[in-house]
Amino acid sequence: EIVLTQSPGTLSLYPGERATLSCTTSQSVSSAYLAWYQQKPGQAPRLLIAGASSRATGIPDRFSASGSGTEFTLTISSLEPEDFAVYYCQNYGSSLVTFGGGTKVEIK
Amino acid sequence: QVQLQESGPGLVKPSQTLSLTCIVSGDSVSSGRYFWTWIRQPAGKALEWIGRINLSGTTNYNPSLKSRATISVDTSKNQFSLRLSSVTAADTAVYYCARAILTSPLPYYYYMDVWGRGSTVSVSS
Repeated sequence: EIVLTQSPGTLSLYPGERATLSCTTSQSVSSAYLAWYQQKPGQAPRLLIAGASSRATGIPDRFSASGSGTEFTLTISSLEPEDFAVYYCQNYGSSLVTFGGGTKVEIK
Repeated sequence: QVQLQESGPGLVKPSQTLSLTCIVSGDSVSSGRYFWTWIRQPAGKALEWIGRINLSGTTNYNPSLKSRATISVDTSKNQFSLRLSSVTAADTAVYYCARAILTSPLPYYYYMDVWGRGSTVSVSS
């Protein structure tokens, strides 16, 4: 089973700052199967990024993602108040789905 | 607009079977493009994928559930269901249903694009 490790666990930033979130996989994965989700308290997760770098419909361009192999990154270029949330990466492989442990982006 | 809505008991006794249904509107579970999926999240913890089913009835499950999970689809009611047997307190969580897609043609992305609001299930005597 492929393990996804997200770091840091918590990121404390001011609005307007840049956020860089990491997702490391225990073995090399296809970037096509790497997705990112945002979850706010009391809500279901929302798809942000598919295929490691393709924004989902309606996702603002301050969200970007990249990566390959075992290292993937989600970047929020300038944090808006509504971006403070928990972010999860997700991998698909061998007909199974795994999620990372999440990174909480909180207001400093 | 596609919407998913979970329904089922909020309280289940230990050792019993948890049963949840996800009602799909705005789309058809008979669509061959999608995988109908269950995910859960204990309070304050990360998401955990439970499993999925496709149109042909092929299922895949998280090995960690040790064969306790069963997902089925009812095309006549446009819904799909989850049964989790022999529950313990560790199964207490918010349970989400979701629509997953494996895009084609290339590139083959896989992601969950529509989620239900979640159903809170507690396991307690």
